Amino acid sequence: GQNIDQPTEMTATEGAIVQINCTYQTSGFNGLFWYQQHAGEAPTFLSYNVLDGLEEKGRFSSFLSRSKGYSYLLLKELQMKDSASYLCAAPELMNTGFQKLVFGTGTRLLVSP
Amino acid sequence: GAGVSQSPSNKVTEKGKDVELRCDPISGHTALYWYRQSLGQGLEFLIYFQGNSAPDKSGLPSDRFSAERTGGSVSTLTIQRTQQEDSAVYLCASSPYRDRNEKLFFGSGTQLSVL
Repeated sequence: GQNIDQPTEMTATEGAIVQINCTYQTSGFNGLFWYQQHAGEAPTFLSYNVLDGLEEKGRFSSFLSRSKGYSYLLLKELQMKDSASYLCAAPELMNTGFQKLVFGTGTRLLVSP
Repeated sequence: GAGVSQSPSNKVTEKGKDVELRCDPISGHTALYWYRQSLGQGLEFLIYFQGNSAPDKSGLPSDRFSAERTGGSVSTLTIQRTQQEDSAVYLCASSPYRDRNEKLFFGSGTQLSVL
């Protein structure tokens, strides 16, 4: 099965840059996802990497290294509203042919003024 | 609707009672998923529907848990004889993709508290 590890909590200041790391172990690779979840709200899709390298979307970028089983989410010009949990997730192929999305425990990011 | 809708948003029940949680996915989304999120834990996969059928029920924790989906739309997750360890947020998600997980659209969840 999948094993996904990410830090439990991180803190940063407004305007700074923060990198949230995720390592995964998988028997077959089918992409790596990042979701954002504000307290009490639904997780929302941020990014999906299937090839090595950095993908940039505005203030958020996601990096993948398949050979190292490693990804990170980079948040630039932090804003207070970026305080949330960031969930790393990877698909696991089941016997039925279905891919279920396996999530890490999430990294809670606290942005302070 | 505009998004995935779940009801109730909060449910408090006594140990041993049955509960039903409802999920109304985004119109046209064929795939529907139930996840459970306990305090300090990652999202735990429960069950997946493609249309009205559930090809993967591997995540259901015990036979007290069951789910159904009708009309390729609304889904109900039923927990019988609830136990305190069932307390968690139950999240539903839908996707327009068949057998793929990218871009799941989640509801805000049902916070279940078993006293």
